[in-house]
Amino acid sequence: DTEVTQTPKHLVMGMTNKKSLKCEQHMGHRAMYWYKQKAKKPPELMFVYSYEKLSINESVPSRFSPECPNSSLLNLHLHALQPEDSALYLCASSREIPPTTEAFFGQGTRLTVV
Amino acid sequence: DQQVKQNSPSLSVQEGRISILNCDYTNSMFDYFLWYKKYPAEGPTFLISISSIKDKNEDGRFTVFLNKSAKHLSLHIVPSQPGDSAVYFCAASGFNRDDKIIFGKGTRLHILP
Repeated sequence: DTEVTQTPKHLVMGMTNKKSLKCEQHMGHRAMYWYKQKAKKPPELMFVYSYEKLSINESVPSRFSPECPNSSLLNLHLHALQPEDSALYLCASSREIPPTTEAFFGQGTRLTVV
Repeated sequence: DQQVKQNSPSLSVQEGRISILNCDYTNSMFDYFLWYKKYPAEGPTFLISISSIKDKNEDGRFTVFLNKSAKHLSLHIVPSQPGDSAVYFCAASGFNRDDKIIFGKGTRLHILP
């Protein structure tokens, strides 16, 4: 199993809503990542979890709240988002950090904030 | 300040020919370089990587060349196939346990029939 599974694939939410993005991998990877990608831009790192502990927060606004309940799961809780937060949110995992092996990416969640 | 630069936003190559995608970097602390391929509405897919102790790595139709003195790497695809049409991201990570993969802006490759 070399998959990173993200749900949902698409999400439309209002600015007052609370929602969560989910990511799951069963490759035994101990590093997991959240990236945000806007159209025609490269992925931008948001958070890194290493051994279920948050190791990097790239100055992401508090309306994005990551959670790593166990070594296979990574969540991103969303609250009071803005329309400019609309983007493709990508989860990734790698065997170790730093990522001297490839990072496997999920298919992403396309988020639209209305 | 862009640490990983892909200066060609797009590239068109005839099917069967060689595609060469270029990438430059500015941070000499990078010691691992990766290429990802991305189709629309999908996550990036890892293609090939190279450590800074090597100058070449080959995997099937894909070869990555690293020139450390020039801080330059390139991805060669030979022969190019229609399914290779995608956006290609160059990425780099550092020896200082920075935990980050820094991506370039990507190059859109079109394989022409």
